[in-house]
Order: sequence, then C-alpha cells, then structure tokens
Amino acid sequence: QKEVEQDPGPLSVPEGAIVSLNCTYSNSAFQYFMWYRQYSRKGPELLMYTYSSGNKEDGRFTAQVDKSSKYISLFIRDSQPSDSATYLCAMSANGGSNYKLTFGKGTLLTVNP
Amino acid sequence: EAGVAQSPRYKIIEKRQSVAFWCNPISGHATLYWYQQILGQGPKLLIQFQNNGVVDDSQLPKDRFSAERLKGVDSTLKIQPAKLEDSAVYLCASSAPTSGLSYNEQFFGPGTRLTVL
Repeated sequence: QKEVEQDPGPLSVPEGAIVSLNCTYSNSAFQYFMWYRQYSRKGPELLMYTYSSGNKEDGRFTAQVDKSSKYISLFIRDSQPSDSATYLCAMSANGGSNYKLTFGKGTLLTVNP
Repeated sequence: EAGVAQSPRYKIIEKRQSVAFWCNPISGHATLYWYQQILGQGPKLLIQFQNNGVVDDSQLPKDRFSAERLKGVDSTLKIQPAKLEDSAVYLCASSAPTSGLSYNEQFFGPGTRLTVL
C-alpha cells in the first residue's frame, strides 16, 4: 500500500462548479497536510496547509483533514478556468526544518468555460 | 524576491550518456531539495541538503545519481550513466530555516525536463 493515495482523475467540470479533491494516507505520523497546485510545465506552488485535524478556509478554497479516517479533502467553490491544473496533496510528520514531504500522484482538473 | 532558478529547462540525451542539472535556491534558504517527478506521478524526494550537508539521500540511486551543494548555496544533480527510466522532470525546492510548529513552506523551481532516448 502506498503511503499516500490520490485519484489521478482526470476531472472535468463546468465553470462555477464545486470541486472536491481527496487523498487517503496510511502513515499515522503525518501531522502536516498540504495542497499544492501545479500548472503545466511549472513547479508546484503551495495552496494551503493544515496542521493536524480540522478545516481551513482561504477564499474559494477549503481544506479538511480527518485524521481518524486518514482522509484529507480540498474543496474549490465557484471554480474558474484559471483553476485548471494538477492538484497534489502532500504530507509530512513535521513541518519545521529538515522535514520530508510525501506527495500523492496528483489530480488533473479542467474547468470548462 | 527571486524564486528558485533551475537550468537547463529541457534536456534530451541518449541512454548511457551523462547529464547535469543546476539549481540556485532562494537567497538565505538553508535547506535544498531535489525531487524526481515522473509523468503522471507526484514528486519523489531524491536528496535533501541542510546548508552543504546531506540530511536524507535514502531514495537517491547512488550507483548513477550524485548531488552536491558546495558552499551551501547552489546545487548540481548529476546522472551518469542515464537510463530510459530516468526520463522525468527534476524539481529543485528550497526552504528557509524556522523553528516551532509553523509549517516551513518549500518553494519549487520550474524544473528540468529530461528525456532519455
């Protein structure tokens, strides 16, 4: 079993739709949960991070972590064509210096105008 | 603030040839990471430096891959000899020193896309 599982999609939605992206994990030591966005031929950029369980909201984006189920989600409200990208979940046991990120495969999202 | 710089952006080589990638991290960032991202996969950590010392190279194929970070700033990643399965994007990332529980963001460069024929 891989440490982090993520459905690679692809996922295609109309503009304005609510998008739900998910990852599951097996390592109970993970405490930091990140979502990165990667546009084609670019490096990943951090969208949001959450420490431990709970919800975090930033504009149209909401990240949720359920450590009891080892399940994390990213919701995108009022999706825009500019949201079209690959979304990578990533996790680590610590978040300070010298930590190691474990990534999911990424989900390719296309938002159609 | 300038981001993480990488060169070249693209490289095509024949198998068994050698290749080198260069990374210049964000100024002041002590930690530098090299990742391999195969098409359709998430990035996989190859090696992590703290200043010019290696923190983690457990997933680096040491029979063919090598990396160095002289003077704790720029870094080079080398593959010699290359295999077909080395075709991937090689990403460099850096992060600043921090302490406590706050998350220490890794900033990624644009990557070098390697094709081995």
